[in-house]
Amino acid sequence: AQSVTQPDIHITVSEGASLELRCNYSYGATPYLFWYVQSPGQGLQLLLKYFSGDTLVQGIKGFEAEFKRSQSSFNLRKPSVHWSDAAEYFCAVASPSGSARQLTFGSGTQLTVLP
Amino acid sequence: SQTIHQWPATLVQPVGSPLSLECTVEGTSNPNLYWYRQAAGRGLQLLFYSVGIGQISSEVPQNLSASRPQDRQFILSSKKLLLSDSGFYLCAWRGEGAGELFFGEGSRLTVL
Repeated sequence: AQSVTQPDIHITVSEGASLELRCNYSYGATPYLFWYVQSPGQGLQLLLKYFSGDTLVQGIKGFEAEFKRSQSSFNLRKPSVHWSDAAEYFCAVASPSGSARQLTFGSGTQLTVLP
Repeated sequence: SQTIHQWPATLVQPVGSPLSLECTVEGTSNPNLYWYRQAAGRGLQLLFYSVGIGQISSEVPQNLSASRPQDRQFILSSKKLLLSDSGFYLCAWRGEGAGELFFGEGSRLTVL
């Protein structure tokens, strides 16, 4: 069975500082990988996704993530955080095969941005 | 473009009362549909998914049920709510052949 671990429950950074959110997955092969962001009381918005090819993927809002097969990781990064980035971030994994292809989510990382 | 709608956005119900949350998708056909629950301070738990009309798969045994009476409509129900049913319920859809899910705005359920 696939699983996702986000080891950091809560991260605090200052505005303008760089950010890295960690994500490790467990899956027998290379899965589909995703990062979503959730503002309070809202649904989830897709930031970026990895299916295959270039292991560094660019997303919306200036985010990027790097797939590292050897480490089973898909960490999210942003060079300079803005106050509006404060939210909860979820990493997710899905099997590339099968018709249902449901996503399995990590438990999330809450990001606080200090002025 | 495709859109997804969930309602009601907020619901407060007494223990033992019934529940019906509705989700509809527009601008696509034959989507895969999903219900997730997000309890306070926790991640997302997949409850049900559907690959077609009348086809429902349950991931977690509970007193909730789901139905898909039309291609783009997905309903989450309960005959008798429990306190533990409180949470934030998210509906999502995925296009045929696609990888990512697109989520609705969620329905916040509080059971008292």
